[in-house]
Amino acid sequence: DAKTTQPPSMDCAEGRAANLPCNHSTISGNEYVYWYRQIHSQGPQYIIHGLKNNETNEMASLIITEDRKSSTLILPHATLRDTAVYYCIVRVYNQGGKLIFGQGTELSVKP
Amino acid sequence: GAVVSQHPSWVICKSGTSVKIECRSLDFQATTMFWYRQFPKQSLMLMATSNEGSKATYEQGVEKDKFLINHASLTLSTLTVTSAHPEDSSFYICSARAPGVTAEAFFGQGTRLTVV
Repeated sequence: DAKTTQPPSMDCAEGRAANLPCNHSTISGNEYVYWYRQIHSQGPQYIIHGLKNNETNEMASLIITEDRKSSTLILPHATLRDTAVYYCIVRVYNQGGKLIFGQGTELSVKP
Repeated sequence: GAVVSQHPSWVICKSGTSVKIECRSLDFQATTMFWYRQFPKQSLMLMATSNEGSKATYEQGVEKDKFLINHASLTLSTLTVTSAHPEDSSFYICSARAPGVTAEAFFGQGTRLTVV
């Protein structure tokens, strides 16, 4: 299984862009990168996923390096409600598509 | 996004009793459902993967006779914690995924189990 490495915590000023990095150097060619976040005492919320091209939706942008060994989740204008633990996950396809969670990054958005 | 509903949101039970937690996909058919457990200040730990109509696949170290999983329909999976003990107190979260190679998984709101 491809493992991911994320910084344990980050701070971001409200209104600024939050850039959350993730390393996944052992990712395979057909494995996608998924991002979820978990606000305290709730189930994780899907944010975005991608294979090799950059992706954008209403919540965030995902930038994947050309060698696919790392990616960055960008929240363009962070708000206090974006304070959460963010998980970068590589999807395992040969085992039912299960998601294996690492420790994630605890993002604190400060006023 | 799609909606996954988990019930109950919280439950308190006596040691030795069994507790059933339901997970429903409300607006899509979930061919695969996952069950996780999360202890305070820790990440989610995958317990098992269940496919509709077949036996669940448990992760290493998870007791299948203690955590009974049933996935009887494309919209419902249940987790029964049998003979619960205080160490089983945790946050249990289910996830459901629609068919498709890249279909994302959606999560329920979680169930807080406290065994006293």
